[in-house]
Amino acid sequence: DVKVTQSSRYLVKRTGEKVFLECVQDMDHENMFWYRQDPGLGLRLIYFSYDVKMKEKGDIPEGYSVSREKKERFSLILESASTNQTSMYLCASSRVLGGNSPLHFGNGTRLTVT
Amino acid sequence: AQTVTQSQPEMSVQEAETVTLSCTYDTSESDYYLFWYKQPPSRQMILVIRQEAYKQQNATENRFSVNFQKAAKSFSLKISDSQLGDAAMYFCAYRKGSGGGADGLTFGKGTHLIIQP
Repeated sequence: DVKVTQSSRYLVKRTGEKVFLECVQDMDHENMFWYRQDPGLGLRLIYFSYDVKMKEKGDIPEGYSVSREKKERFSLILESASTNQTSMYLCASSRVLGGNSPLHFGNGTRLTVT
Repeated sequence: AQTVTQSQPEMSVQEAETVTLSCTYDTSESDYYLFWYKQPPSRQMILVIRQEAYKQQNATENRFSVNFQKAAKSFSLKISDSQLGDAAMYFCAYRKGSGGGADGLTFGKGTHLIIQP
């Protein structure tokens, strides 16, 4: 089974801090994703990466950046955290981009910015 | 832009009964894929079932089946013999078949399913 591991289940950070959310997958998947989940809004794509050092903006990239230096690891970076970035963050990976290829998700990181 | 609508924020069903969760989508594409994901309290999103738009036959996975109505742009999920472990948020998702760029998975806002013992 594919395992996607997010390093933190809960995080509490202060406004203005630089925040790193880490995600690791163990199935040699090419593609990795960061989603944000908010009540009543569903999941929204922040960024995705289809290869090492490659990235593409999703629907809501503002205020975020990403890093993919190794195939198995995809980091989401909040350069200067703000309270409106308080949310659940979900990392996912997939072997193939598109088609009926499913996403494999981690357990999520619930980030609170105070 | 594609949109996915789940009109039922919350549903409740008695254990062992059957429940249907609704999903409609808006697209001008003819080639696309549809998914249902389950998110239990553990928070990990799990794929329940998927459907290719070019397939007329409705997908089935054990107690889970879909009613795919392409003309109506409807993709409902039927859960038979509901079990306590089915309690979760359920998300309907759409992906267009081609076009490159972002992965293009569009999620609905979710339906919270409660199972009454």
